[in-house]
Amino acid sequence: NAGVTQTPKFQVLKTGQSMTLQCAQDMNHEYMSWYRQDPGMGLRLIHYSVGAGITDQGEVPNGYNVSRSTTEDFPLRLLSAAPSQTSVYFCASRTYLGAGSYEQYFGPGTRLTVT
Amino acid sequence: RKEVEQDPGPFNVPEGATVAFNCTYSNSASQSFFWYRQDCRKEPKLLMSVYSSGNEDGRFTAQLNRASQYISLLIRDSKLSDSATYLCVARARQHSGGYQKVTFGTGTKLQVIP
Repeated sequence: NAGVTQTPKFQVLKTGQSMTLQCAQDMNHEYMSWYRQDPGMGLRLIHYSVGAGITDQGEVPNGYNVSRSTTEDFPLRLLSAAPSQTSVYFCASRTYLGAGSYEQYFGPGTRLTVT
Repeated sequence: RKEVEQDPGPFNVPEGATVAFNCTYSNSASQSFFWYRQDCRKEPKLLMSVYSSGNEDGRFTAQLNRASQYISLLIRDSKLSDSATYLCVARARQHSGGYQKVTFGTGTKLQVIP
C-alpha cells in the first residue's frame, strides 16, 4: 500500500511552459485534492474531486486544470507556467473516519520552480 | 485577516517541557478542527482531530473553545522527535452545501532542545 504518490519530486520550468504533476492513490478514496504551500500562506486548495469524473475549483484554481478519469489518478496541469506558480504542490486523498472527522493523506510533494 | 491564525514561533523548549499552541479561527461556520504535523520538507500528517469536549492522545491534548473561536494543542513531556511545524486546520461547510472549505493555518514551529 503506497498511499499517495506524486511525481516528479522536483521540477524547474521556464515561464510559459506547460506540464502535468502526477498524483495517484491506492486506498480507493473518492475524495482527492491539490494544494499549494507557500511561505507565510499556509496550504491553499487549488482543485478537488469527489469521485471519478467530478472535479471542482478550490480557493486558487487560476492557471491550473485537473481531470479525474479514474479513482486512482488525479493529475494537475499547469497550462502556461508563471513565476507566481513557484511553490510546493501537495496532492491529498481523504477518507471519512466517522463523527464528522476525516483523515487526509498527503503525497510527498512536488517542488516547482518557474523561472 | 487570515481565517486561521497561528503564532509562527519558533517555540524553543527543553526536552521534558510542556508547551501549548493556540490557533484562532474567524469563520463562525467552521465545524471541524484538526492539528497536523509537518516535518521540514515533508508532507503534513494528521496528528489529531479536535473535539468539542477536548481530547487526549498520549502526551497530546487538544481543546476547542467555540465561544472564543480558538483551538489549542498541549504537548507534555516534549521529546526531541516532537520538533516540527504544527498546522491548525478548520473545516467549514459552504452555503452552497456540497463543498467543505478547509483552511490551513501557516503553522507554529516547535524546536525541542536537548
